[in-house]
Amino acid sequence: AQTVTQSQPEMSVQEAETVTLSCTYDTSESDYYLFWYKQPPSRQMILVIRQEAYKQQNATENRFSVNFQKAAKSFSLKISDSQLGDAAMYFCAYRRGYNTDKLIFGTGTRLQVFP
Amino acid sequence: DGGITQSPKYLFRKEGQNVTLSCEQNLNHDAMYWYRQDPGQGLRLIYYSQIVNDFQKGDIAEGYSVSREKKESFPLTVTSAQKNPTAFYLCASMVSGRFGYEQYFGPGTRLTVT
Repeated sequence: AQTVTQSQPEMSVQEAETVTLSCTYDTSESDYYLFWYKQPPSRQMILVIRQEAYKQQNATENRFSVNFQKAAKSFSLKISDSQLGDAAMYFCAYRRGYNTDKLIFGTGTRLQVFP
Repeated sequence: DGGITQSPKYLFRKEGQNVTLSCEQNLNHDAMYWYRQDPGQGLRLIYYSQIVNDFQKGDIAEGYSVSREKKESFPLTVTSAQKNPTAFYLCASMVSGRFGYEQYFGPGTRLTVT
């Protein structure tokens, strides 16, 4: 069975600094996708970034980028130039290659951003 | 406006009563999902449906039931058999967005059972 592990329950960062959130996963599949979701206090889940396992290039979306290490089954999220609005719960998620398959989530990391 | 609506935002029920949570989408998506969120446990899949009149159990389906009679609607019933029903419930549907296929979430319903 596939599992997703986030070992940092809480992280904090100073505004304008960079922070990295960790995620590891376990799967025997070769075709899969990895995601980072953000959940602000409103509790709305927002997709931040996605990585296809077959792509070697790390995904980037503005201030958000990932470090995808396929052999190590590691998928960390780097937030650059942190802003107060980045404060939220961040969830790492895995999905098998079939498009309508379910997401498997980690337990989340609460990110605090200090001015 | 396209999107997923969940109603109500907050729901209170007495123990022993069944309660149905609404999830509607006007995005013409085939696949829909129900997740439960508890503190410190992330999101866990309850049920999902890939087409009308068909659905599959997720990881924690016991004590829940669903129906999918219409493409746009996927209601979740929390039955009296669910031992710990108090939680935050999120509905999602699969959308082809800027990242390719992705799950798009509704705003959620907070259910409190006393």
